[in-house]
Amino acid sequence: EAGVAQSPRYKIIEKRQSVAFWCNPISGHATLYWYQQILGQGPKLLIQFQNNGVVDDSQLPKDRFSAERLKGVDSTLKIQPAKLEDSAVYLCASSHPRREGYSYNEQFFGPGTRLTVL
Amino acid sequence: AQSVAQPEDQVNVAEGNPLTVKCTYSVSGNPYLFWYVQYPNRGLQFLLKYITGDNLVKGSYGFEAEFNKSQTSFHLKKPSALVSDSALYFCAVRSSGYSTLTFGKGTMLLVSP
Repeated sequence: EAGVAQSPRYKIIEKRQSVAFWCNPISGHATLYWYQQILGQGPKLLIQFQNNGVVDDSQLPKDRFSAERLKGVDSTLKIQPAKLEDSAVYLCASSHPRREGYSYNEQFFGPGTRLTVL
Repeated sequence: AQSVAQPEDQVNVAEGNPLTVKCTYSVSGNPYLFWYVQYPNRGLQFLLKYITGDNLVKGSYGFEAEFNKSQTSFHLKKPSALVSDSALYFCAVRSSGYSTLTFGKGTMLLVSP
């Protein structure tokens, strides 16, 4: 079974530039998550999709961050314009929402995209 | 609101000795608890989970964790550490009625030969 794919793996940009990340979840996984992991901290959920609908985006800085999952499969996360504090690893994860009942929430993570904003 | 505390930034243990990585949580309702491991330049890998049932949960690579409701803890343990266990370990929690996972800040485990 192929894992969660993310690209690019690394990105360096200057502040006020734009950047986009791509994620392809495990086939058949309806739920997709984007996390931000700042150095020395645990992952923080930015947005959660169920198919192509948003379940939770309460921690997404909507003035500069946006995400879409138009066909309910792959997803893009965009930052426009970037700030220095956006430097982090952006992790994508997916899960199958109804295996073993709703309580099953094992999330499978991709390798992440390391963003450096200069 | 839900939260996770991992009180140790780093745990050092010699190979062959038992290891414990601590985790305490706060959540409304019944907790669902998870441990993940992160190796350098790689995503998080699932180790084990507690949903309900036996308080001692066994997971991948010989790890286990004990759910203690009265102490609101879910410590990760392994009877005999390996050098290859050296990595960053994250505890995570969500409540039974809420799908979002909240992660701790992580504990770096260093196993010396």
